[in-house]
Amino acid sequence: QKEVEQDPGPLSVPEGAIVSLNCTYSNSAFQYFMWYRQYSRKGPELLMYTYSSGNKEDGRFTAQVDKSSKYISLFIRDSQPSDSATYLCAMSARGGGADGLTFGKGTHLIIQP
Amino acid sequence: DVKVTQSSRYLVKRTGEKVFLECVQDMDHENMFWYRQDPGLGLRLIYFSYDVKMKEKGDIPEGYSVSREKKERFSLILESASTNQTSMYLCASSLWSSGRATDTQYFGPGTRLTVL
Repeated sequence: QKEVEQDPGPLSVPEGAIVSLNCTYSNSAFQYFMWYRQYSRKGPELLMYTYSSGNKEDGRFTAQVDKSSKYISLFIRDSQPSDSATYLCAMSARGGGADGLTFGKGTHLIIQP
Repeated sequence: DVKVTQSSRYLVKRTGEKVFLECVQDMDHENMFWYRQDPGLGLRLIYFSYDVKMKEKGDIPEGYSVSREKKERFSLILESASTNQTSMYLCASSLWSSGRATDTQYFGPGTRLTVL
């Protein structure tokens, strides 16, 4: 069983739609959860960082963590063509990802104008 | 803003060559990491370092070594490059584990290495 599962997509939605991206994981030691966005041929850039269970909102982005279900989500409201990218979930047991991050394989998102 | 830079964006090497990939961060971060990213496999951790002169193996260290002589610089070394090491290599850095919300890994732009 893989530690972090993430649907690779592609996920194609029309501009303005609400996008839901998800990951499941098996390691109950994970406490820190991140979402990165990666454009083609670029390095990942951090979008959201959360600790333990709960919600966090930043502009059009909302991250949710449900540790009891081992399930994390990223919601994008009012999606824009510029949101088209690969979204990677990542998690770690220690702050700062001090032992390295465990990544999902990424979901390729396409926002159609 | 955190700045992580990598010495090359694109690199082409021959099988058997010794390859050096350099990474520099400007935020005085203690932790530095090397990952490789492959289609269908995602990002996988090769090596990481907590401090100068220190190194720890990640999930796939075979065929690689690292060097950290200065806090801001972390080098990945392919002792004898092979075609299966053709990949995107990503360097990252982070502050020492403190549990603060802003402390996570920041990535460089990546080096796309092709071994012929």
